[in-house]
Amino acid sequence: QKEVEQNSGPLSVPEGAIASLNCTYSDRGSQSFFWYRQYSGKSPELIMFIYSNGDKEDGRFTAQLNKASQYVSLLIRDSQPSDSATYLCAVNPFGAGGTSYGKLTFGQGTILTVHP
Amino acid sequence: GAGVSQSPRYKVAKRGQDVALRCDPISGHVSLFWYQQALGQGPEFLTYFQNEAQLDKSGLPSDRFFAERPEGSVSTLKIQRTQQEDSAVYLCASSSLTQGYEQYFGPGTRLTVT
Repeated sequence: QKEVEQNSGPLSVPEGAIASLNCTYSDRGSQSFFWYRQYSGKSPELIMFIYSNGDKEDGRFTAQLNKASQYVSLLIRDSQPSDSATYLCAVNPFGAGGTSYGKLTFGQGTILTVHP
Repeated sequence: GAGVSQSPRYKVAKRGQDVALRCDPISGHVSLFWYQQALGQGPEFLTYFQNEAQLDKSGLPSDRFFAERPEGSVSTLKIQRTQQEDSAVYLCASSSLTQGYEQYFGPGTRLTVT
């Protein structure tokens, strides 16, 4: 079982729709969760982070975290063609010594295509 | 302000050559990470520095990989005797917090070993 799992897609949604991206993780001790957007040939760009159970909204983006279910999601409202990219879920797990210094474990990414 | 910068952006090396990849983090960022990203995959952790101290090198794939950050700012990732399986994008990220929760990536160096 991979530590962080995402559906690789591609996920195709029409312009203006809500895109829902999902991620599950295996390390129950994980405490911080990140969504990165990566355009083809570019580096990952941080778009959302969430540390507490529940929802966190930032503009058209909402991150949702459920630690009991070990599940984190990203909703993109009013999707635009410019949102077409790979979305990477990343998790900060605790190290073996019980300390966390921010090493991120990434999923393989979900390819999102927003069509006009 | 300026983001993370990396150089070179592209590097082609013949198998067996040594390469050095440079990362210049955001000014004042304590934490610096190196990741390797293969095509179609998410980045994978290589090593972590807090200032000049290399606190974790558990992700380095072999002893041909070596990283340093001697003055706690610029970092260099060196790969000796490159192999074809080393072909990937090498990403550097930095963070201002000791625990490095929010990491900002540089543009990456695409290494191709022929």
